[in-house]
Amino acid sequence: QEQLKVSGPGLVQPSQTLSLTCTVSGFSLTTYSVHWVRQHSGKSLEWMGRMWSDGVTSYNSAFTSRLSISRDTSKSQVFLKMNSLQTEDTGTYYCARGRFTYFGHDFDYWGQGVMVTVSS
Amino acid sequence: DIQMTQSPASLSASLGETVTIQCQASEDIHSGLMWYQQKPGKSPQLLIFGASRLQDGVPARFSGSGSGTQYSLRISSMQTEDEGIYFCQQGLKYPHTFGAGTKLELK
Repeated sequence: QEQLKVSGPGLVQPSQTLSLTCTVSGFSLTTYSVHWVRQHSGKSLEWMGRMWSDGVTSYNSAFTSRLSISRDTSKSQVFLKMNSLQTEDTGTYYCARGRFTYFGHDFDYWGQGVMVTVSS
Repeated sequence: DIQMTQSPASLSASLGETVTIQCQASEDIHSGLMWYQQKPGKSPQLLIFGASRLQDGVPARFSGSGSGTQYSLRISSMQTEDEGIYFCQQGLKYPHTFGAGTKLELK
């Protein structure tokens, strides 16, 4: 059974770094990609970046050089690190399994999400 | 970036009513269009991929259609459990972008 679980702090101070962990089970990180998506207060979803099955990463340019995604395949974990957090980074952060078909990328399994508040 | 425009922003439907939600891409996305349902406090769930292909386990009352830049999601008979927010997403190009969402409520 495919599952993803996000863990990390719920409160981060402005200008500090957010560190989140996505722990997966039921599938291998060397077979599927894992993506990070965030959502502001129930509003729309924003794709942040992804870890491909071969270890290659891609990022949304909206996050410039603030964002880093890495992984530990032995622990089935994918990590998100984003620095210089501001209040507008407050939101719910999800990891999702990516599936690549003839029609492009979709997200067929999602973690439960973690609510992150940026505040002093 | 490809812009995804959804309409309407919200709607209400009666039990058994047919519901249609529209999504327009700012360029041709060659059927690389997905639909997700999100219920309050829950993660999004994939309903449709490739514009018209039903994800496993999704009820057959959901269907998708469209091509080029214009796509739609149809619910043939509104049920109580269909309340939620529906998002479209393009999976053709990076960054993958989502529509602003359509909030569907039971009338």
